[in-house]
Order: sequence, then C-alpha cells, then structure tokens
Amino acid sequence: ETGVTQTPRHLVMGMTNKKSLKCEQHLGHNAMYWYKQSAKKPLELMFVYSLEERVENNSVPSRFSPECPNSSHLFLHLHTLQPEDSALYLCASSQDVNPGGFSSYEQYFGPGTRLTVT
Amino acid sequence: AQKITQTQPGMFVQEKEAVTLDCTYDTSDQSYGLFWYKQPSSGEMIFLIYQGSYDEQNATEGRYSLNFQKARKSANLVISASQLGDSAMYFCAINDQGGKLIFGQGTELSVKP
Repeated sequence: ETGVTQTPRHLVMGMTNKKSLKCEQHLGHNAMYWYKQSAKKPLELMFVYSLEERVENNSVPSRFSPECPNSSHLFLHLHTLQPEDSALYLCASSQDVNPGGFSSYEQYFGPGTRLTVT
Repeated sequence: AQKITQTQPGMFVQEKEAVTLDCTYDTSDQSYGLFWYKQPSSGEMIFLIYQGSYDEQNATEGRYSLNFQKARKSANLVISASQLGDSAMYFCAINDQGGKLIFGQGTELSVKP
C-alpha cells in the first residue's frame, strides 16, 4: 500500500462503546496528525506526534486517547463518546514537524474515518 | 493567532474555463507557508500547491497556480481549463511556527459540463 491509510472507513458506535481508529503511513515520515472535520466547520487539529512523541494536544476531551507506537502507526482510541463527536476523522503525516520553527512540509492525508455516534 | 478566510462557500464554473478561489489570511509571523488542498466527496484531502512567504514567484503546479499578494495577505488559487473531476471542496491553509495547519471553511466548486 502507498500513502496514508485509515481503517475503518466508516464506524457507527453507541455512546458506551469503546473503539479505535487506525492510521498507517507508508511514506517514511516522522510526524503524524489527527484532525476532526465536522459538517460546516473547518478542520480542527486534535493531536500531533513527532517521532512517536506527542508534541501537541489541542484541548481535546479525554474521551479521545491517541497512541503512536512507532512513526508509521497512529491510533485514536474512543470511549464514551457523545453524538456531537460524529464527524470525519482524518489522519495525516508529514516529513517532519519543527516545533518553535517554521515548517514548509506539506501534509499527506488519509481517506478518513466517518464516525457516527448514536 | 493565524486565521484563514474563504469567503466563497460555493462556486460554479463551466468546463474548460478558468476559476479563481479566494483566500485571505491573517498572521503576525514573518515566515509562513500557504497550502491549498482539494477534498472530493470521498473525503481524502489532496495536496495541490504550496507557497512560501519568501517565495518571490507565484507557485504553479500543472493547471493550478497561486496568485500570491503578500501585502494584501491573499493567496488565491487559480484553476485553468476546469475539468469535471475538479468538482470538490477546496481548502486554503496556513502553517504556524510549530508546523500546524490552520484551515479555512472551504469553497465547494462545481464544474458544469
């Protein structure tokens, strides 16, 4: 496989369920990202990882728990979600992130997981 | 804080014509990058073009070009010779000192045959 892949592509879960979203990048990048895209709203950055270390946590509720076991894989663990968490969750990777400095590295996105919380 | 404004929620263009999608930005950084992404109905965000704040020439990538006017803080995307496959959402984004991307609301482009 090439690029950035995400599984599952669609997920329906109840508010009491626990599920995980998976992202894998095959580009040799060092940085990975989780974004949330709700209807009629811009993409919102959730988490940033650089070389498996979390460098950004954008005030995301604790019911979202990221995990980055290595630079190629990123997970988003979900538990006790709310209906307003229904959205498209996009994973992205880039060559690197330069905290405190400017980075021109474009981000490559996966196809997303469309999550519906019932 | 950085901000991106895309004032056109929806645009229509005739096939084979050119179209300009507007993007203005706000930043206090001297160094920054501007990106355009395309999002088809499938959901994947596809990188189109990049312009650095110190680049003197407007960026071009095939049928895509960026009309960069630094003093006016605008970075409009021009698509030449529109094709039916260009119908999608288009997002302008700016990255900050930490490399984060800040996205605008997007413009939905519809190409008519």
